[in-house]
Amino acid sequence: DVKVTQSSRYLVKRTGEKVFLECVQDMDHENMFWYRQDPGLGLRLIYFSYDVKMKEKGDIPEGYSVSREKKERFSLILESASTNQTSMYLCASWGLAYNEQFFGPGTRLTVL
Amino acid sequence: AQSVAQPEDQVNVAEGNPLTVKCTYSVSGNPYLFWYVQYPNRGLQFLLKYITGDNLVKGSYGFEAEFNKSQTSFHLKKPSALVSDSALYFCAVRDRGSGNTGKLIFGQGTTLQVKP
Repeated sequence: DVKVTQSSRYLVKRTGEKVFLECVQDMDHENMFWYRQDPGLGLRLIYFSYDVKMKEKGDIPEGYSVSREKKERFSLILESASTNQTSMYLCASWGLAYNEQFFGPGTRLTVL
Repeated sequence: AQSVAQPEDQVNVAEGNPLTVKCTYSVSGNPYLFWYVQYPNRGLQFLLKYITGDNLVKGSYGFEAEFNKSQTSFHLKKPSALVSDSALYFCAVRDRGSGNTGKLIFGQGTTLQVKP
């Protein structure tokens, strides 16, 4: 079974803090994604990566950056957290053989 | 531009009755279509997908979906709803012409409430 794990289920941070959200997949998938989920807005793509060190902006990249130093790991970084970044963050991976995205359990981030 | 619409924020159905969760899409080419389910405080779980072939696709937990090209729809159905089906459901589409990025466009989600 494909497994996508995220470093934290719940996280509480203060405004202005630097926040790292980690995602790891164990299936050697090429592509990985970070989404933000807010009620009534569905899933919005923040960034995705199609190879190590390669990334592309999604629909809402402002205020976020990403890092992919190893194929299995994709990190989302909030350089200076703000209250409007309070949300559920979901990581996913996708491999050519499956033609579907596999999701992690999500991280619910609260910025105070 | 590609898009997915789920016209109902919430669907209420009694246990044992059939359920339908609606989805329409807009893509420039032929679509790949997906349904995912999300239980409270969990990630998304894959239910089923349409890639090619038979327009009626069967998936996990007794769910099925029908691809209708002329109506650009991919409605999710189940003949007999269970209380445990209560969850948030997402429809998603991928344009076959988008290459191998695996990028999906998601609808806004529909909450399914099944009452005993």
